[in-house]
Amino acid sequence: GAVVSQHPSRVICKSGTSVKIECRSLDFQATTMFWYRQFPKQSLMLMATSNEGSKATYEQGVEKDKFLINHASLTLSTLTVTSAHPEDSSFYICSASNVDSNTGELFFGEGSRLTVL
Amino acid sequence: KQEVTQIPAALSVPEGENLVLNCSFTDSAIYNLQWFRQDPGKGLTSLLLIQSSQREQTSGRLNASLDKSSGRSTLYIAASQPGDSATYLCAVSGGNQFYFGTGTSLTVIP
Repeated sequence: GAVVSQHPSRVICKSGTSVKIECRSLDFQATTMFWYRQFPKQSLMLMATSNEGSKATYEQGVEKDKFLINHASLTLSTLTVTSAHPEDSSFYICSASNVDSNTGELFFGEGSRLTVL
Repeated sequence: KQEVTQIPAALSVPEGENLVLNCSFTDSAIYNLQWFRQDPGKGLTSLLLIQSSQREQTSGRLNASLDKSSGRSTLYIAASQPGDSATYLCAVSGGNQFYFGTGTSLTVIP
């Protein structure tokens, strides 16, 4: 199957700093990538849909100025958590589907564990 | 809005048993349905994808079925092994939107 890579897998930062998480599709092109947040023992919560070359679409209740998303190429989307606070500590996961495939199959990155001290 | 439900929320079985995980959805107008596995602290691994025109898909010991009219999908795991212990999530897609169930946490006891 297609491979989606996320980096870093774990990050610890101080309150007030900004953290960038990268999501790359390694062997396919993705016009759309999705960013999720997952709390312990809960399902995925869609934060935003990242569109290549245009602004991301944020879900209701997700602050776009807090969670900056950039999708500059067909293989890379980034999520920047700005001025992070302890309540932003969470597991962040990205996903993408192959633009050349008509199945719509979704592939996920390995996730990034953010801990804000 | 599409709502996806998975029952049971947790399941514990002895090794070797066959088991069925259930996924139901409220809107039958779906593009496809996908089953995933998630290990603790990890991302999601795609197990099976069933397109809306298909009834089932098989991969090894896994078989997934889809009944769009009743809004149901099942994931059948044959001869369960301790390595199958994980959380299983189903997701349905409609266009560019994906809707996830809350998952079933499976424990296979050696």
